[in-house]
Amino acid sequence: VLTQSPGTLALSPGDRVTLYCTASQRVPGNFLAWYQQRPGRTPRLLISDAFVRATGIPDRFSGSGSGTDFTLTIRRLDPEDFAVYYCHQYGDSLSFGGGTRLEIK
Amino acid sequence: QLYESGPGLVKPTETLSLTCTVSGASISNSNYLWGWIRQPPGQALEWIGTIYYRGPTWLNPSLRTRVSLSVDRARDQISLRLTSLTAADTGTYYCARATVERPGALYSGYPALYDWWGQGSQVTVS
Repeated sequence: VLTQSPGTLALSPGDRVTLYCTASQRVPGNFLAWYQQRPGRTPRLLISDAFVRATGIPDRFSGSGSGTDFTLTIRRLDPEDFAVYYCHQYGDSLSFGGGTRLEIK
Repeated sequence: QLYESGPGLVKPTETLSLTCTVSGASISNSNYLWGWIRQPPGQALEWIGTIYYRGPTWLNPSLRTRVSLSVDRARDQISLRLTSLTAADTGTYYCARATVERPGALYSGYPALYDWWGQGSQVTVS
């Protein structure tokens, strides 16, 4: 089970934010991904293998962590970054977290 | 590209059948698995199942008794069948490609990263 926190965050463009994803058991191989989902859109892969940015993803997005605790940091929020973010582990079967919603303050 | 197709509206107790047509890549490629993920309105993503073109499938235990997946290699299509529908099955159903991260994924279904998604098919059970 993946638990994401916080559930919702209200921030301003230009802010720095860290999102958290905690697994109930160690994620083998740190096979942990992050997706962004804008309203009405398909989830977009941001990070795989805990810290590898997907092709075309700006470097203001960074992932870190290992074992059971993982984070996604967005260095300077752009207006287009206000969306829902999901973590996803694919090291032991597959599961998704409940999501964190970033809202504009 | 992955394109999902199927009925937008189905009745409770009936069976949902969705098809995903893949273009730009062959489903008969051992670098990839293929799968389905769904999302109820306003809720989180839920993995449904994954299939390898040679036939092995891996299903979410919570849906295992109602779900079946299949492939049509000649048409580069994968299909989802979900039986005994209820309102809780309403949502967007995504077809996606999973890139194999380790050879063992061909035998267990993981680790394989869902890196390419279709636009989704809206399904309402009512």
